[in-house]
Amino acid sequence: AQTVTQSQPEMSVQEAETVTLSCTYDTSESDYYLFWYKQPPSRQMILVIRQEAYKQQNATENRFSVNFQKAAKSFSLKISDSQLGDAAMYFCAYRSATGGATNKLIFGTGTLLAVQP
Amino acid sequence: DAMVIQNPRYQVTQFGKPVTLSCSQTLNHNVMYWYQQKSSQAPKLLFHYYDKDFNNEADTPDNFQSRRPNTSFCFLDIRSPGLGDAAMYLCATSRAGSGANVLTFGAGSRLTVL
Repeated sequence: AQTVTQSQPEMSVQEAETVTLSCTYDTSESDYYLFWYKQPPSRQMILVIRQEAYKQQNATENRFSVNFQKAAKSFSLKISDSQLGDAAMYFCAYRSATGGATNKLIFGTGTLLAVQP
Repeated sequence: DAMVIQNPRYQVTQFGKPVTLSCSQTLNHNVMYWYQQKSSQAPKLLFHYYDKDFNNEADTPDNFQSRRPNTSFCFLDIRSPGLGDAAMYLCATSRAGSGANVLTFGAGSRLTVL
């Protein structure tokens, strides 16, 4: 079975600085998808960024980028120019590409990011 | 705006008293999911509907049931809540198909069991 591990329960970053959140996963599959979701306090979880395993190029969405190391099964999230609104719980998630017609995500335990003004 | 709405946002119940949480969506997605999220733990999938087909996870307790009367609505019923069922319950939707289809989440319903 696949597992997702986030080893940093909490992180803190100064406003305008850069922070990297770590995620590792375990799978025997070669084709899959990886996601970072953001869950602000008392608000809905939203997608930050996603990566297809077959793509070597790291995904980027504005200030958010990933470092995808397939051989090492590592998928870290880098947030540049951190803003107060980035404060949230961040979840790393995995989905098999052979999971059938539905999207069953496997989540990590999350990293709570605090942004200091 | 198309969205996923969960009600109530906060629910307090007594030990053993049945509770129902609701989820509605305007996205016309054919898949709806219920996740349980306990403090400091990963969200855990309880079950999902693909159209009218119900798919239960193997380790979901019988105490948890679900209904989907139509495309837009899905309910989570907890027949006899225990203290261990206190959690945030997340509803999510997606359009079925292969690829990195994204799940759209509601804001969650936080259940307290006294």
